Parts: sequence; structure tokens; C-alpha cells
Amino acid sequence: GQSLEQPSEVTAVEGAIVQINCTYQTSGFYGLSWYQQHDGGAPTFLSYNALDGLEETGRFSSFLSRSDSYGYLLLQELQMKDSASYFCGADAGNNRKLIWGLGTSLAVNP
Amino acid sequence: DTGVSQDPRHKITKRGQNVTFRCDPISEHNRLYWYRQTLGQGPEFLTYFQNEAQLEKSRLLSDRFSAERPKGSFSTLEIQRTEQGDSAMYLCASSQLPGEAFFGQGTRLTVV
Repeated sequence: GQSLEQPSEVTAVEGAIVQINCTYQTSGFYGLSWYQQHDGGAPTFLSYNALDGLEETGRFSSFLSRSDSYGYLLLQELQMKDSASYFCGADAGNNRKLIWGLGTSLAVNP
Repeated sequence: DTGVSQDPRHKITKRGQNVTFRCDPISEHNRLYWYRQTLGQGPEFLTYFQNEAQLEKSRLLSDRFSAERPKGSFSTLEIQRTEQGDSAMYLCASSQLPGEAFFGQGTRLTVV
């Protein structure tokens, strides 16, 4: 089957750095996406990695290693507003639909 | 364009009734997805359109669920003979590029 695994919960303090890992098992893999979802809100797109390596967008960076079927989202200079759920999604399969992990709940404490 | 819009935002229905939700994607996006999400879970794939063609439908989806995207623009998701287990947030997303989907605010369905 196709699946993604990520930690269920992560806790950090303001100003810290946190890394959320995602491992995937899919067929026909094209790339890895990351989304943020606040309670009661819709998922919002953060990043998409099609190639190996690190991509940086402001305080957030995303990494992909195809050979390890692994990626991570790195959040720097954490702020309280970063408290949310973070989902990795694999762009995979013949129809290239997103297959989602169960999400990581990030709590940022003062 | 203001993004993906979904209507209604909330729907309360009695068990056994039919409901229909609408999604208006971002106009230049040819891909449209429907997902279902329950509390504490990730979005569960329901179905996917590329333009007007429905390319894939989840095997988890019963025959009570049907979706259309006439003319490759807006899409509707219908649930017939609703059950309490259908209570969830129904999310629509559209994209031009694979992997980069933009979501609407969802329709929260409560079946009583």
C-alpha cells in the first residue's frame, strides 16, 4: 500500500528550531508537499520538493531525499502562531494525487 | 480570483437525506480534488478530476457518493441517504501543478 509516517505531536518553545520528519512508501513518487492547518481552518500549502535537497522559504525549509524515501520540514525562529498541524503529502501514482500523512500537531510554548 | 470557494460552509441534515456540496476552484486550475477530514486525522482522498474527467475515485467511497465537474469548472459532491458516519469536513482543493493544492474552507456536514 501507499503510506506516509510522521510524528503525531511535537512541542517546542518560541524562538527555537523544530524539524518534522516524514517517511513515505509509495509507488510512482514525484514529490513531497507540506501543508499547515490551524484548528478549524483549511490546509494551506507551504512547500513542494520534487528534487533532492533543501529548499528554503523564509523561516520554513523543506528537505527531500528520494533514496531514503524521507523528507522533513524545518521551522526556525518559532512563533506562537506556528502552533498548528503540519501534513506531508506525497505526489504519487498514475494520477498524481496527493497521499497524506496523519499530520503532526506542533505546540509552540512561550 | 479569491481562491477556492465552497458552499455551504455548514450543513446539518437528518439521517437518510441527500446533500449536495459545491466547489468553485481557482479559475485557471485544471485539477480538482475532494477530501474528507475528521477531527485529528489527515485529509482522506475521495475523488480527483482533471478538467471534466473524473480520473480516480477512492475505493473506500461507497456508491452513495458521487461527484461531477461539468465543463471542467465548478464541481459538486452529492451524498445520498446520509449516515451518521458521513459527518465530517468535506474539503475541495484545486491545483495547476501537482503537489501544490489550494484548499477551500470546507463544508462541515453534521448528520443527526
